[in-house]
Amino acid sequence: GAVVSQHPSRVICKSGTSVKIECRSLDFQATTMFWYRQFPKQSLMLMATSNEGSKATYEQGVEKDKFLINHASLTLSTLTVTSAHPEDSSFYICSASLWGQPQHFGDGTRLSIL
Amino acid sequence: EDKVVQSPLSLVVHEGDTVTLNCSYEVTNFRSLLWYKQEKKAPTFLFMLTSSGIEKKSGRLSSILDKKELFSILNITATQTGDSAVYLCALEVTTSGTYKYIFGTGTRLKVLA
Repeated sequence: GAVVSQHPSRVICKSGTSVKIECRSLDFQATTMFWYRQFPKQSLMLMATSNEGSKATYEQGVEKDKFLINHASLTLSTLTVTSAHPEDSSFYICSASLWGQPQHFGDGTRLSIL
Repeated sequence: EDKVVQSPLSLVVHEGDTVTLNCSYEVTNFRSLLWYKQEKKAPTFLFMLTSSGIEKKSGRLSSILDKKELFSILNITATQTGDSAVYLCALEVTTSGTYKYIFGTGTRLKVLA
């Protein structure tokens, strides 16, 4: 099956730090990548949809200046949490998909801001 | 507003039992409905349904979609402890020339030995 690599798997850092998370589709060129946030015992909440070479589309309530998304190629998207604070602590998951095919997920990044 | 609701929210059964999980939806621009299983990390894909009434089957798991009544069910027969997980339903919808996924609340299944 399709493989999506997400890195790092775990980040612990101080408040005010910016954190970059990478999402790579390893064996296919993804037309679209998605970024989700998941709180404990809750479902996945879509943050933004990212298409290669164009600006990301953010969901309502998600601050685009806080969560910067760059989709440089068909196999790489990055999410940067800028000036992170404790309330940004969460589990962040990316996925990649081709039109008409199911999305495949990375293993997620657990972000803890002290 | 698009909505995806799963029931029950949680379920505890014994090994060997059969379970039926429900996903109801109200969305515009439906493209497909997907089921995922999430254990400790990221969700793993189970089924993708686009047409009504056609059952998809994989081992002890099966799923069917009813586009008239706007729901899907996921059945697991002869449950095992390894089936313990959160089962997520996601609706793929088209929007402004692209597409996205809206996830349901999830059903937390625990299978006791």
